[in-house]
Amino acid sequence: DGGITQSPKYLFRKEGQNVTLSCEQNLNHDAMYWYRQDPGQGLRLIYYSQIVNDFQKGDIAEGYSVSREKKESFPLTVTSAQKNPTAFYLCASSPRAGTEAFFGQGTRLTVV
Amino acid sequence: AQSVSQHNHHVILSEAASLELGCNYSYGGTVNLFWYVQYPGQHLQLLLKYFSGDPLVKGIKGFEAEFIKSKFSFNLRKPSVQWSDTAEYFCAVNAPSGTYKYIFGTGTRLKVLA
Repeated sequence: DGGITQSPKYLFRKEGQNVTLSCEQNLNHDAMYWYRQDPGQGLRLIYYSQIVNDFQKGDIAEGYSVSREKKESFPLTVTSAQKNPTAFYLCASSPRAGTEAFFGQGTRLTVV
Repeated sequence: AQSVSQHNHHVILSEAASLELGCNYSYGGTVNLFWYVQYPGQHLQLLLKYFSGDPLVKGIKGFEAEFIKSKFSFNLRKPSVQWSDTAEYFCAVNAPSGTYKYIFGTGTRLKVLA
């Protein structure tokens, strides 16, 4: 069953701790993306990657880091530098630039 | 900076009513346009897309959208909504087209009353 898998679905962390969100795809897509979804603000791009070992900052990259060591995987680390980390995080992929994106189920991160 | 506006944040309709959700973008060049839907508890999925050609595009579940270049708009329509259309709808613009830059609107929550 092809698609994008994000884990975990819910994540709780204490303030000051780094946390890594997983995103795996088996669609053989080159491009992968991380978005943050907040109520009333739509989706905002955090990072994207066009190919393995390459990634670019999006509009709200501060306090986040990513890696792309394998085509299938694009983990996102929310660092302690992110001032307001509690949010719903969506991972997506697309076959190439300009085409439609396929989304995972999302991870809801709550920092207490 | 490029932006996408969805003016209707919450819409409530009765079953069989017609639907039109507005989407306007601010970019003067070539764009690719998308509508996504997020049903309760489910992931975002594509409703329809426009790259070029006929400005009236048809998507899944009876939805259609019309690209009006002069108005920078890509409004979503459905002649007769069903209770199962209750969801959040997002307009997205790939600008410039063919890049990795996608801008999403803030979403419209649609509630259809049975």
